[in-house]
Amino acid sequence: GAVVSQHPSWVICKSGTSVKIECRSLDFQATTMFWYRQFPKQSLMLMATSNEGSKATYEQGVEKDKFLINHASLTLSTLTVTSAHPEDSSFYICSARAGEDTQYFGPGTRLTVL
Amino acid sequence: AQSVAQPEDQVNVAEGNPLTVKCTYSVSGNPYLFWYVQYPNRGLQFLLKYITGDNLVKGSYGFEAEFNKSQTSFHLKKPSALVSDSALYFCAVRDIHNYGQNFVFGPGTRLSVLP
Repeated sequence: GAVVSQHPSWVICKSGTSVKIECRSLDFQATTMFWYRQFPKQSLMLMATSNEGSKATYEQGVEKDKFLINHASLTLSTLTVTSAHPEDSSFYICSARAGEDTQYFGPGTRLTVL
Repeated sequence: AQSVAQPEDQVNVAEGNPLTVKCTYSVSGNPYLFWYVQYPNRGLQFLLKYITGDNLVKGSYGFEAEFNKSQTSFHLKKPSALVSDSALYFCAVRDIHNYGQNFVFGPGTRLSVLP
């Protein structure tokens, strides 16, 4: 099946620093990727939809200047958490859409901001 | 608007017994329906999907789900549960006519299979 990778799998950083998370579709091309945030024991919250070669579409309440998304190629999207603060600590998951329907998810990145 | 309900936060079953994880949905048109499983500190793994055709869909690890249009349900089932099936299960829906739309996920159901 389709494989999506994320790097890093976990990261610890100091407050005020920026963190970049990569999402790659390994064996298929994805014109559309999605970024989610998941709090403990909760469902996924869609943050933004990333389209290759165009600006990301952010969900209501998600700061686009805080969470920078770049989808430079058909196999790579990046999420940069700028000036991270402890409240940004969360589990971030990306997914890539294969064809018209199924989304395949990355393994997630746990961000801890001290 | 699309929505998904998973009425049970937690489902407990004994190993070897059949399991059911419930899902109901609401879309304006015809649905694409999905089940995903999440193990601790991991991303979501695709289990199965209903797009069209046979209402009974078979997926990975012996799971199956039945699409019931009249009841707007897509319950996940397995004839004989394993301890290793213990995980968090998410149902998701998308309106097939709204390609630009993302999935809507249910709140998740935690399945515990007891040895």
